[in-house]
Amino acid sequence: SQELEQSPQSLIVQEGKNLTINCTSSKTLYGLYWYKQKYGEGLIFLMMLQKGGEEKSHEKITAKLDEKKQQSSLHITASQPSHAGIYLCGADTQGGSEKLVFGKGMKLTVNP
Amino acid sequence: SQTIHQWPATLVQPVGSPLSLECTVEGTSNPNLYWYRQAAGRGLQLLFYSVGIGQISSEVPQNLSASRPQDRQFILSSKKLLLSDSGFYLCAWRRISGSPLHFGNGTRLTVT
Repeated sequence: SQELEQSPQSLIVQEGKNLTINCTSSKTLYGLYWYKQKYGEGLIFLMMLQKGGEEKSHEKITAKLDEKKQQSSLHITASQPSHAGIYLCGADTQGGSEKLVFGKGMKLTVNP
Repeated sequence: SQTIHQWPATLVQPVGSPLSLECTVEGTSNPNLYWYRQAAGRGLQLLFYSVGIGQISSEVPQNLSASRPQDRQFILSSKKLLLSDSGFYLCAWRRISGSPLHFGNGTRLTVT
């Protein structure tokens, strides 16, 4: 079965700092999704990547999928307290599959 | 626009009691529906998914069951709750395979 490993598991940064979160898959990624979660709430969709080498940005967050489609990174520029939360990556287990599995998440704390 | 409703938001139940969590989606038809459980240190675990009325796929052997009596209704049930059933339960939907999931606000279940 496909497993997604996220690193680091948690991160504490000072406001204004840049940071990168990684998501590594044991198998080829057919669809890679990034989500953000506030504690005790549902997941908010951030971005989806499908093609090797693809890169997408939304406000100060950029996500990339490597050429081999087995690793994705999420980069936050000039972090703000509003960026704090849990970031999860999810992936379709194969092309056309209904199953979507997730990593364990990365807890981000941004200190003002 | 599409919306997803999940209730109740919190629930405290004694061991051995039954469970019924309900999820409904509005503004779309024939969605793929999902139940996930989030427990501390274990990430987001896929429990069940459904691609149509009466079609349920179970991912993990457990004390739970799911049903889809109507196109946009997904129900998570248990006849007798165990302590290990405690956790944060999330319902989600998506249009088709390969598109992003959209999550409800979750139900915090505590089994005492």
